Amino acid sequence: AQTVTQSQPEMSVQEAETVTLSCTYDTSESDYYLFWYKQPPSRQMILVIRQEAYKQQNATENRFSVNFQKAAKSFSLKISDSQLGDAAMYFCAYRGRWGGSEKLVFGKGMKLTVNP
Amino acid sequence: EAGVTQSPTHLIKTRGQQATLRCSPISGHTSVYWYQQALGLGLQFLLWYDEGEERNRGNFPPRFSGRQFPNYSSELNVNALELEDSALYLCASSTGTTDTDTQYFGPGTRLTVL
Repeated sequence: AQTVTQSQPEMSVQEAETVTLSCTYDTSESDYYLFWYKQPPSRQMILVIRQEAYKQQNATENRFSVNFQKAAKSFSLKISDSQLGDAAMYFCAYRGRWGGSEKLVFGKGMKLTVNP
Repeated sequence: EAGVTQSPTHLIKTRGQQATLRCSPISGHTSVYWYQQALGLGLQFLLWYDEGEERNRGNFPPRFSGRQFPNYSSELNVNALELEDSALYLCASSTGTTDTDTQYFGPGTRLTVL
């Protein structure tokens, strides 16, 4: 079974600074997807970024980028120029690529605080 | 484009009662997923429906059940409620047409069992 681990339950960052959230996972599959979702106090789970395991290039979305290390099974999220609106719970998630693997496996989450 | 919607926002029940939660997917999405987010347990996969059929279920007892309607909306039913069923229930939808689709989440239903 696949597992996702987020070892840091909480982090804080100053506004406009950069912060990196870590995530490791365990799987025997060779093809899969990795995601970062954020969940602000409103509870809505919002997709931040997605990475396909078969792509070597790290995904980026504006101020958000990932460092995907397939051999190390590591998938960290870097937030640049942090904004107050980035404060939220962040969840790392795994999904297998092939049929029958559609469910998302989530880490426990990490609470990010952004200080003005 | 409207996102995934869920109702009700909050639901309060007592032990032994039944709860029904509803989800409407994004227009064009045929797959609906249900997750339970309980305090201290993180997000756990409950059920997956696609084209009206249950395709997969997580490690939950049979009193958790659901269905998907012809318009692709879905219901989650929880029978014989127990205190530990108190949680945020999240619904997600996806296109279900390729192996690359992404799940988009609704705002959740907060179920409290007294």
